[in-house]
Amino acid sequence: GENVEQHPSTLSVQEGDSAVIKCTYSDSASNYFPWYKQELGKRPQLIIDIRSNVGEKKDQRIAVTLNKTAKHFSLHITETQPEDSAVYFCAAVKAAGNKLTFGGGTRVLVKP
Amino acid sequence: KAGVTQTPRYLIKTRGQQVTLSCSPISGHRSVSWYQQTPGQGLQFLFEYFSETQRNKGNFPGRFSGRQFSNSRSEMNVSTLELGDSALYLCASSPRTDLSSGANVLTFGAGSRLTVL
Repeated sequence: GENVEQHPSTLSVQEGDSAVIKCTYSDSASNYFPWYKQELGKRPQLIIDIRSNVGEKKDQRIAVTLNKTAKHFSLHITETQPEDSAVYFCAAVKAAGNKLTFGGGTRVLVKP
Repeated sequence: KAGVTQTPRYLIKTRGQQVTLSCSPISGHRSVSWYQQTPGQGLQFLFEYFSETQRNKGNFPGRFSGRQFSNSRSEMNVSTLELGDSALYLCASSPRTDLSSGANVLTFGAGSRLTVL
């Protein structure tokens, strides 16, 4: 089955700096890659996603890139703010499916 | 539009008991999935239902089961509880199957936190 690895597991950045989280997946049949943000005690919330027909997608300070050949995708957060502190999860979904295979999560701490 | 609603939010059980968790999806959503979240194993897929049929099942023992009703509400049941079943159980819904198709995203509920003593 699909396996998703996520790095780093923890990331500490200074406010205003950029943060990058990387994920690799194993199943070439995966074609949908969402990113979820989970604040302490709250539900995972979708922050951005990318489908395999595009290589990059941006939404204000966050962006995701996808390299299908290398089977990896990344989340980029620019101009980080304290409210960006949370656990971020990447996931992969196979075509025609609804099953998310999650990475292990990255705990991001933005220091003021 | 109301979000995904899960009940109960918190519950405490003892080993050997069973538990039933409920999930009401967003109105109009027909696909409901369940995930288990633990500090050690992260987020793991349990099962997915669409139109009252189980479409997909994760690698969990048969003690974990679920069902979906005609109104798309779903329940999951865990029998003969073990200490390791302590977790946050998350339900998620989407309008239809195939997340890779445009405008079809998965929305999570707040979860049911189960503690097994």
